Amino acid sequence: DTEVTQTPKHLVMGMTNKKSLKCEQHMGHRAMYWYKQKAKKPPELMFVYSYEKLSINESVPSRFSPECPNSSLLNLHLHALQPEDSALYLCASSQGPQGPLKDGYTFGSGTRLTVV
Amino acid sequence: SQQGEEDPQALSIQEGENATMNCSYKTSINNLQWYRQNSGRGLVHLILIRSNEREKHSGRLRVTLDTSKKSSSLLITASRAADTASYFCERQAGTALIFGKGTTLSVSS
Repeated sequence: DTEVTQTPKHLVMGMTNKKSLKCEQHMGHRAMYWYKQKAKKPPELMFVYSYEKLSINESVPSRFSPECPNSSLLNLHLHALQPEDSALYLCASSQGPQGPLKDGYTFGSGTRLTVV
Repeated sequence: SQQGEEDPQALSIQEGENATMNCSYKTSINNLQWYRQNSGRGLVHLILIRSNEREKHSGRLRVTLDTSKKSSSLLITASRAADTASYFCERQAGTALIFGKGTTLSVSS
């Protein structure tokens, strides 16, 4: 299995809702990442997990809460989001905490989130 | 901003022509990668080049890295309509992972 699987593919949520995005990989990668991408912009790093511990938080608002239950799973819990949080949320993984060793990051196809 | 510049921002060519995209950055890097993104989809890794490498090839792709000029280029030879996508360079500098602004390539048949 050489994929990163993200669910759901699309999500529409109200500003008072609580929802979660899920990301799963079975490549034995020990680093996992959340990126946010607005239309026609490059992806922006949000969080990095290394060996299931949060290693980087790029000053992301607390309404985004990451969780890494085990080495294969990464969640992003959402609560009280704003319409400007609407974006494509991408999950990625890499072999080690120092970034890609050989083959780069593997990205999921993303969750397109709309906050209404 | 640590974001570098990619140029051109947009490139339109005919099938069969070569496409060259450039990426410049400001700080020292560990490695640099190029990705392709089809509209609204996830990113696909193309090539990783390390700071001690100068050139890498993969099929119709050729990436060069000039650390003295802090720049990299991606060459796609004999382009196809299926190459239409956005292309991003991404640098790792220490623990920082930084994407460039991207080049949108359009290949018409």
